[in-house]
Amino acid sequence: GAVVSQHPSWVICKSGTSVKIECRSLDFQATTMFWYRQFPKQSLMLMATSNEGSKATYEQGVEKDKFLINHASLTLSTLTVTSAHPEDSSFYICSARSTGPLPTQYFGPGTRLTVL
Amino acid sequence: TQLLEQSPQFLSIQEGENLTVYCNSSSVFSSLQWYRQEPGEGPVLLVTVVTGGEVKKLKRLTFQFGDARKDSSLHITAAQPGDTGLYLCAGEGAGGGADGLTFGKGTHLIIQP
Repeated sequence: GAVVSQHPSWVICKSGTSVKIECRSLDFQATTMFWYRQFPKQSLMLMATSNEGSKATYEQGVEKDKFLINHASLTLSTLTVTSAHPEDSSFYICSARSTGPLPTQYFGPGTRLTVL
Repeated sequence: TQLLEQSPQFLSIQEGENLTVYCNSSSVFSSLQWYRQEPGEGPVLLVTVVTGGEVKKLKRLTFQFGDARKDSSLHITAAQPGDTGLYLCAGEGAGGGADGLTFGKGTHLIIQP
């Protein structure tokens, strides 16, 4: 099946610093990637849709200036959490949407962000 | 905004028992996916259902999509401890998934040996 990787798998940073998370589709091209956030014992919440070659679209309540998204190629999207604060600590998961007759979202393994 | 109500949220049963997880909405979905997630990992796709009334089987798991494409169910027969995990339903809207998936709140399933 299709594989999506994320890097890093976990990161600890100090409050006020910025953190970049990479999402790669390894064996397929994805014009659309998605970024989700998951708090402990909760489900996934869509943060933004990343479209290759264009600006990302953000869900209501998600600050675009805080969560910078870049989709520079058909296999790579990045999420940068700027000026991170402890409340940004969460599990960030990306997905890449395959094309074809039955488009499917394949999820990465997630990135655990802890802001001290 | 499309919402998916998933129930039950928590379920703990003995090995060998059967169970059903429900996913309901007032909205129509173009497709619905079921995922299983282990702690600290991303969701893994189990199945995608597209056609109203569709039934798909994956070993001891049976997935059904409602005729109106507003609801779905996951039935596990003879549950085993290896089935323990978080089960998530997710719907793809009229936009064909270009707007991302809407997830239910998940069902935390524990199968006790």
